[in-house]
Amino acid sequence: EEQLVESGGGLVSPGGSLRLSCAASGFSLSRYTMNWVRQPPGKGLEWLASISGSSTNLHYADSVKGRFTISRDNAKNSLYLRLRSLTGADTAVYYCARERAGGGTAWFDPWGQGTLVTVSS
Amino acid sequence: QSVLTQPPSVSGAPGQRVTISCTGSSSNIGAGYDVQWYQQLPETAPRLLIHANTKRPSGVPDRFAGSNSGTSAFLAITGLQVEDEADYYCQCHDTSLNGWVFGGGTKLTV
Repeated sequence: EEQLVESGGGLVSPGGSLRLSCAASGFSLSRYTMNWVRQPPGKGLEWLASISGSSTNLHYADSVKGRFTISRDNAKNSLYLRLRSLTGADTAVYYCARERAGGGTAWFDPWGQGTLVTVSS
Repeated sequence: QSVLTQPPSVSGAPGQRVTISCTGSSSNIGAGYDVQWYQQLPETAPRLLIHANTKRPSGVPDRFAGSNSGTSAFLAITGLQVEDEADYYCQCHDTSLNGWVFGGGTKLTV
């Protein structure tokens, strides 16, 4: 079964940093572009960042550019997201998602179960 | 404020049909980028429902159907079932933002 499992969330103080991990199983991460998406409590989905299979192409949402860094280790079949200068607005469940492509289009499947990041003093 | 606009909520009785709209602009749906739809059941991660505007992954019932026209996309759900109660999100690539955008989500009550 193809599966993604996030970890690394927790309580962090304002201004702090955190590194989230996403472990893939059942498929080789290196073949796919990967993404991070977050969802604040009671709110909608927000795409954050994507990274191509070879880490050549990185893209970020304007809301996190310069503060968040996406990376991957294909040898460990893992994806990461480094979060810095955190504020309460960054409190959310963070999901990783595989980007599948075909026929000139792309979509996210599967998604991990998410990891909760709470920014509070 | 989301780049893609969805109604906050829709409702229908079991067995009925509902449609959820997703309105974008000339930099996303109107530019010809495909639309995806995701279903998020309570306390779970989003799940792919429709990709490439109209395609259903295996395991998704044919009660769910996607379509699009101009700068809008639509998700139709026929034969509503109680287990369809969930939040539904549309997604598209945006060329101005050079990234993915989601709709604000629509809560379906059956």
